[in-house]
Amino acid sequence: AQTVTQSQPEMSVQEAETVTLSCTYDTSESNYYLFWYKQPPSRQMILVIRQEAYKQQNATENRFSVNFQKAAKSFSLKISDSQLGDTAMYFCALQNYGGSQGNLIFGKGTKLSVKP
Amino acid sequence: GAVVSQHPSRVICKSGTSVKIECRSLDFQATTMFWYRQFPKQSLMLMATSNEGSKATYEQGVEKDKFLINHASLTLSTLTVTSAHPEDSSFYICSARAWVGFNEKLFFGSGTQLSVL
Repeated sequence: AQTVTQSQPEMSVQEAETVTLSCTYDTSESNYYLFWYKQPPSRQMILVIRQEAYKQQNATENRFSVNFQKAAKSFSLKISDSQLGDTAMYFCALQNYGGSQGNLIFGKGTKLSVKP
Repeated sequence: GAVVSQHPSRVICKSGTSVKIECRSLDFQATTMFWYRQFPKQSLMLMATSNEGSKATYEQGVEKDKFLINHASLTLSTLTVTSAHPEDSSFYICSARAWVGFNEKLFFGSGTQLSVL
């Protein structure tokens, strides 16, 4: 069975500070993708960052970066220079590469509050 | 970028009625559409996977006769909640799978909040 675990239900950070959200996962597949999605109050799912499991280099997107530890099955998200607009639910997700399915398996989410 | 249009965004219905939710891929062909349900303060749970022209595959515990999925074309998938009951009240989101160049990507609709009275 494939699982995604986010152990931090809620976190808060001061504006301009850095925060790290944790995620661990379990899969028996060798090829897969990992994602972080942001869900603001509008509930629209917004892709934050994506990591291919075969790539050793950690993905980065502007203020967002990941620490991907494949052996430990860990995939944390670091948000630098936090902004008020970063306040949202953040979901870690796993997707098997190719195949007939390809659906996302989501963690329970971490509610991030950025305080002024 | 690719857009998935989901309608309606919000619907309120009486218990026992049926509700149809549409998801359209506006500028690409979606070979696969995923339907998720999200209860308040919870994560997204996959309900079913639909491939164009074939029957949907439902996750364990999801009643296929209650949640009818039709994926008649590469740009349209519908979810019909039949004989809705208050416990079906939830946020429903579709996600389309498509190839962009050599990469497979997923695009989400904006969701439908269903409230059954």
